[in-house]
Amino acid sequence: RKEVEQDPGPFNVPEGATVAFNCTYSNSASQSFFWYRQDCRKEPKLLMSVYSSGNEDGRFTAQLNRASQYISLLIRDSKLSDSATYLCVVKDMGRRALTFGSGTRLQVQP
Amino acid sequence: DVKVTQSSRYLVKRTGEKVFLECVQDMDHENMFWYRQDPGLGLRLIYFSYDVKMKEKGDIPEGYSVSREKKERFSLILESASTNQTSMYLCASRQLAAGELFFGEGSRLTVL
Repeated sequence: RKEVEQDPGPFNVPEGATVAFNCTYSNSASQSFFWYRQDCRKEPKLLMSVYSSGNEDGRFTAQLNRASQYISLLIRDSKLSDSATYLCVVKDMGRRALTFGSGTRLQVQP
Repeated sequence: DVKVTQSSRYLVKRTGEKVFLECVQDMDHENMFWYRQDPGLGLRLIYFSYDVKMKEKGDIPEGYSVSREKKERFSLILESASTNQTSMYLCASRQLAAGELFFGEGSRLTVL
């Protein structure tokens, strides 16, 4: 079983739609969680950290459910520029490196 | 802005060649990482370094070695390239244990 699992998609949504991605992680000792965004043929970049109480950044909302070991990303009012691959990232306690999911691809259609 | 620079964007090598991938960061970051990215498998950690001359194996270190002689530079070495090492290689750096990871643009290696 992969440490971090994501639905690869693609999710094809119209502009203005709301879309949600989930990600599950296997290590209950995981301590930090992030969403990174990767545009086609580009490097990943931090989108947002995920806090225990949930957090929002403009149209983006991240949630953490420790009991069920999943995190989610909600994008409201999708824009064409949101088209990208969204990577779920986890840091385990006692481990220096981050573990990446394989990503969920989002395609926003005009 | 943080800048992570990888020396080559595209390389084509032959099986058995020795390959060097160089990465330089300009923000005095302590931690540096090498990942490879393959379709359907995501990013997988090869090696990382948390200080000069310090290194730790990641999840897939076989066939690779690394060198960190200076804080700003982290090199990935393929001693004898094989076709299954054809991939996108991403270098990253980070200052703190829980800090943001900054990536270079990637080096796409093809081994024939």
